[in-house]
Amino acid sequence: QEQLQPWGAGLLKPSETLSLTCSIYGGSFSDYYWIWIRKSPGKGLEWIGEINHSGSANYNPSLRSRVTISVDTSKNQFSLKVNSVTAADTAAYYCARHARNNYHYLMDVWGKGTTVTVSS
Amino acid sequence: DIQMTQSPSSLSASVGDRVTITCRASQTISTYLNWYQEKPGKAPQVLIFAASSLPSGVPPRFTGSGSGTEFTLTISSVQPDDFATYYCQQSYRIPWTFGQGTKVEIK
Repeated sequence: QEQLQPWGAGLLKPSETLSLTCSIYGGSFSDYYWIWIRKSPGKGLEWIGEINHSGSANYNPSLRSRVTISVDTSKNQFSLKVNSVTAADTAAYYCARHARNNYHYLMDVWGKGTTVTVSS
Repeated sequence: DIQMTQSPSSLSASVGDRVTITCRASQTISTYLNWYQEKPGKAPQVLIFAASSLPSGVPPRFTGSGSGTEFTLTISSVQPDDFATYYCQQSYRIPWTFGQGTKVEIK
């Protein structure tokens, strides 16, 4: 069973860059899209973006200007960067696998959330 | 963006009760609708995909139905392990969006 483990800095100051990485253990890296999602008290679950093994990425338009998702196939990892963070970026951040079943997509494997707090 | 609205936002139930959660989409999404369960301190897990399909390992007391803009998740006989928060999510169009969640608590 595939497992995902997110990691990165948990405390940031306003205007800094959020940087998280998700390591993938077991399973195939190339057959899926790999997702970042966050959950905050104010906005619930919010899809940030996703990437496949070849680096093709999709982003939430609400965050696109500040977000970069990248992939490192040699390490079975994908990463998230969010520039110019504010308190509104305080959230639990999840990485997940986006699988396809016939014509339907589902987020079928999730890592545990990692908390990021933005505070001066 | 497609807005997803769940009701109720929370409910109390006793073990053995039948529980129904509703999710409405702001536009038609056919059957591109998934349900997730989240428990404190644990990663969310998918319960239902394509509106009514169960992934392997999900107990059959969970059923999903609906198409178009209105969907339901039903737990036929709620068990102690089912007290959690449930989210619907549309998989019709990017950006993928979620409902605000329904917390199922013990009465």
